[in-house]
Amino acid sequence: DQQVKQNSPSLSVQEGRISILNCDYTNSMFDYFLWYKKYPAEGPTFLISISSIKDKNEDGRFTVFLNKSAKHLSLHIVPSQPGDSAVYFCAANSMGGGSQGNLIFGKGTKLSVKP
Amino acid sequence: DGGITQSPKYLFRKEGQNVTLSCEQNLNHDAMYWYRQDPGQGLRLIYYSQIVNDFQKGDIAEGYSVSREKKESFPLTVTSAQKNPTAFYLCASRTASSGNTIYFGEGSWLTVV
Repeated sequence: DQQVKQNSPSLSVQEGRISILNCDYTNSMFDYFLWYKKYPAEGPTFLISISSIKDKNEDGRFTVFLNKSAKHLSLHIVPSQPGDSAVYFCAANSMGGGSQGNLIFGKGTKLSVKP
Repeated sequence: DGGITQSPKYLFRKEGQNVTLSCEQNLNHDAMYWYRQDPGQGLRLIYYSQIVNDFQKGDIAEGYSVSREKKESFPLTVTSAQKNPTAFYLCASRTASSGNTIYFGEGSWLTVV
């Protein structure tokens, strides 16, 4: 059973507009969430994270929102740029460690930003 | 430069052969990981190691083996027992100071021919 779900396999956005990527999780023990960006044939690069004590974290054009009651998080990219075109992975884990300390990844959402 | 180096980048293997993928990091990270990526499947954990001379199975360990004889090295062997070895393999590492953020290498493509 998937513990981290990215229900949209792809998203297409016009350059300059907002991109919103969504992620849902089922494990209530998760308390730390991350977003990674991945280009084809390259390793994922860390983008932004948020702990469960916050509901928002912002870094430049990237903002992550966390809704714990809904077990939902989203990544907002404003404004979107063609270079943002990539696959975005949501990941989660529990800072309590053990096997829960390992990151669990969603299946990814492929973002295409059109000029 | 500090980082995680995976080699080879591309590897072809005949059916029935074992192959070893190298992962080296000079970040002084304690924990190392191997993930596999298949189209539409996201990243799935194969093995991980929190300290030297210790490692644990991940979600899809069957057909794989690892060793952790040195802190900086975590090679992955894909054995002939792995039924569908063709995939993109990613090594990653983490240290306590990076919190729960893991950092990835560039990946290795393995194709069985």
